[in-house]
Amino acid sequence: DTEVTQTPKHLVMGMTNKKSLKCEQHMGHRAMYWYKQKAKKPPELMFVYSYEKLSINESVPSRFSPECPNSSLLNLHLHALQPEDSALYLCASSQDSRDSTDTQYFGPGTRLTVL
Amino acid sequence: DAKTTQPPSMDCAEGRAANLPCNHSTISGNEYVYWYRQIHSQGPQYIIHGLKNNETNEMASLIITEDRKSSTLILPHATLRDTAVYYCIVRVATLWNNNDMRFGAGTRLTVKP
Repeated sequence: DTEVTQTPKHLVMGMTNKKSLKCEQHMGHRAMYWYKQKAKKPPELMFVYSYEKLSINESVPSRFSPECPNSSLLNLHLHALQPEDSALYLCASSQDSRDSTDTQYFGPGTRLTVL
Repeated sequence: DAKTTQPPSMDCAEGRAANLPCNHSTISGNEYVYWYRQIHSQGPQYIIHGLKNNETNEMASLIITEDRKSSTLILPHATLRDTAVYYCIVRVATLWNNNDMRFGAGTRLTVKP
């Protein structure tokens, strides 16, 4: 089973709203990732959790806040977003990000629209 | 930036083999080549990966040149459902992540009846 689930599938929010995206995997993976994909562009990595420890991408704005409650769950908290943050947000997981042969498995994504 | 370059688009006739090339001339000796595909508005799907030997699985074959500077993904009998963007990826070590999957622009493969 290589399934990563994400909820919700679609989300529309205003610039003053606070919302959260959720991701779950039950493959026993110890690394989880958030990617952002703008229309007609490739995915770009935002955050990595490895053994529940966060690696920070300094280029990601603070209005995006990741959380890893346990090794199976990953959240992305959204606050005061801008319309240009509208994108497909992808979650992925892998066995161990420190391994050079590590393979990431992606969820279906959450389509976010910021009005 | 991605360490790979791919043609932006390719067409293939249904039932024929699709051969998707990728250049990765700056690849290091211990770096793997990964292939993913993304069907419209879905999450990327893992296809195959390899280091220097040719690899085959139920989805595709991966042919890596002896100098490892390029590779070809082969879909042996393309179907309409194989229409997707195909990404060739060599991971990059950054300051904050040892295995950064840096997606390039990919190749948009269109399988035609």
